[in-house]
Amino acid sequence: QVQLQQSGPGLVKPSQTLSLTCAISGDSVSSNSAAWTWIRQSPSRGLEWLGGTYYRSKWYNDYAVSVKSRITIRPDTSKNQFSLQLNSVTPEDTAIYYCAREIGGFDFWGQGALVTVSS
Amino acid sequence: EIVLTQSPATLSLSPGERAALSCRASQSVSSSLAWYQQKPGQAPRLLIYDASNRAIDIPARFRGSGFGTDFTLTISSLEPEDFAVYFCQQRSNWPRTFGQGTKVEIK
Repeated sequence: QVQLQQSGPGLVKPSQTLSLTCAISGDSVSSNSAAWTWIRQSPSRGLEWLGGTYYRSKWYNDYAVSVKSRITIRPDTSKNQFSLQLNSVTPEDTAIYYCAREIGGFDFWGQGALVTVSS
Repeated sequence: EIVLTQSPATLSLSPGERAALSCRASQSVSSSLAWYQQKPGQAPRLLIYDASNRAIDIPARFRGSGFGTDFTLTISSLEPEDFAVYFCQQRSNWPRTFGQGTKVEIK
């Protein structure tokens, strides 16, 4: 059974960097069939796909246009996990952040983490 | 980006009744559409992928149909645990996008 365990701070100051990690068990971040993604949810924006990383003989990344200039998603093969960095955050980035595996649909999700951007 | 429009916003039904939820895409997504159920305080749960395939452990009362731009999630007979919010999502194009959700509430 695949499990995704998220970790990271729940409070980030405006203009700083939001950093979250998603540890994978039951699958590999280097899987040739999965994409490893970050999704957030807020009342104002609903469910918003932020981006993902995936391995198909080499590593690829795809990012949402809305955050493309501020986001980095990185795999860590040594720890079998992947991470999210979102720079220059504002209160509009306040949301519940989820990591998820994509095969067909988003079939396994992390537990979710409320990240609040506030001074 | 592909916009997904779900209707109705809220569906008020009684246990045992049939629910039909609609999702319309702004352009064709072929059969690359998924449905999710979300309960308060929980992550979304995958119900249907590729328009009509039930995910692992999803009961047969959940059925997905459609192709192109028009899709339907049907719950044949509502159980008490089915009252929740349902989202559709497309994976035909980047970026992946979600609908705004349909809340199925107890009448």
